[in-house]
Amino acid sequence: GAVVSQHPSWVICKSGTSVKIECRSLDFQATTMFWYRQFPKQSLMLMATSNEGSKATYEQGVEKDKFLINHASLTLSTLTVTSAHPEDSSFYICSAFPADVPRRTEAFFGQGTRLTVV
Amino acid sequence: KNQVEQSPQSLIILEGKNCTLQCNYTVSPFSNLRWYKQDTGRGPVSLTIMTFSENTKSNGRYTATLDADTKQSSLHITASQLSDSASYICVVSERDSSYKLIFGSGTRLLVRP
Repeated sequence: GAVVSQHPSWVICKSGTSVKIECRSLDFQATTMFWYRQFPKQSLMLMATSNEGSKATYEQGVEKDKFLINHASLTLSTLTVTSAHPEDSSFYICSAFPADVPRRTEAFFGQGTRLTVV
Repeated sequence: KNQVEQSPQSLIILEGKNCTLQCNYTVSPFSNLRWYKQDTGRGPVSLTIMTFSENTKSNGRYTATLDADTKQSSLHITASQLSDSASYICVVSERDSSYKLIFGSGTRLLVRP
């Protein structure tokens, strides 16, 4: 099946620094990717929709200047957490739909990135 | 408001036993319903996807049912194994131009030996 790869799988950074998380679709093209955040024992919360070649669409309450999203190609989207604070510590997951799948039935998720801000 | 609700929140069963997880949704217009398994610290992995016209779908020991009239779905796990311990998430998508998925809060299943 299709594979979505996230990197890194975990990262520890100092408060005030920035962290970049990559999401790659390895064997399909994805015009749209999604970024989620998940807190312990909670379900995934959509942060933003990443569109190839255009600006990302952010969900209400998500600061676009803090969570920078770049979708420069059909196989890569990046999420940069700027000026990270301890409350940004969470599990970040991306997902992607193959561009050629009719009715957009299948979504593939990355393995997630555990961010810890100290 | 489009919502997906799952029950129970958590469940403990003995290895080899069967269990059924429930999902109710209010998403409209409906496109499809998915069940995902998420191991701790990992991304979700798809188990089944069902469209409006499908009533049941199986994937090994996992069988999902869908009643689009009552907007209910269930995931039945047969002969549970220790490796089935995970969170099971019900996800519904709207029949529109976006790719947005609406997630349930999940059921945390623990299978004990």
